[in-house]
Amino acid sequence: EVQVVESGGGLVQPGRSLRLSCAASGFTFDDYAMHWVRQAPGKGLEWVSGISWNSGSTGYADSVKGRFTISRDNAKNSLYLQMNSLRAEDTALYYCAKAVRGSGNAFDIWGQGTMVTVSS
Amino acid sequence: EIVLTQSPATLSLSPGERATLSCRASQSVSSYLAWYQQKRGQAPRLLIYDASNRATGIPARFSGSGSGTDFTLTISSLEPEDFAVYYCQQRSNWLYTFGQGTKLEMK
Repeated sequence: EVQVVESGGGLVQPGRSLRLSCAASGFTFDDYAMHWVRQAPGKGLEWVSGISWNSGSTGYADSVKGRFTISRDNAKNSLYLQMNSLRAEDTALYYCAKAVRGSGNAFDIWGQGTMVTVSS
Repeated sequence: EIVLTQSPATLSLSPGERATLSCRASQSVSSYLAWYQQKRGQAPRLLIYDASNRATGIPARFSGSGSGTDFTLTISSLEPEDFAVYYCQQRSNWLYTFGQGTKLEMK
């Protein structure tokens, strides 16, 4: 079964750090770009960051640039998101998503998400 | 940043009716436009990618059209399970954005 499973969320104080992980299975991980997308409670979807299959290219939303770092370990079929200097507005459900085959312009496999709550 | 504007914000229809959802981009995104369905408490589900390509397992009643700045998702005959929130999404180099969503509710 093709799936991705996120972990690492939790309650964290403003200004602190957190590292999210995403474990992939059922597909050739290093063939695909991977992404993080978040959804604040009751709100819409927000793309956070993406990384190419070989880590050669990355992208970040303006809202997280300079604070978050995306990385991957193809040997471990894993994707990561290092989140520093967390703010209350980073509170959200964070999804890991696989890019679609070919164009890579969309996300065809999503996890169930891991919740990050930033609060004192 | 390319802004996607979806309309209407809410669409009230009955099963069997045709649904037409719109997504307009602030500048051309070529055909790099996708549509997702999200039900309460669930992860988004990819419906359409590259403007008109149905994702694996998506029923034929879902179709996408458009290019440049104006895109449409059409559901030809609504089934009860189609009532959900729909998002469009674009890619421009390594920057991606989503629209704010259209809630499709049962009349």
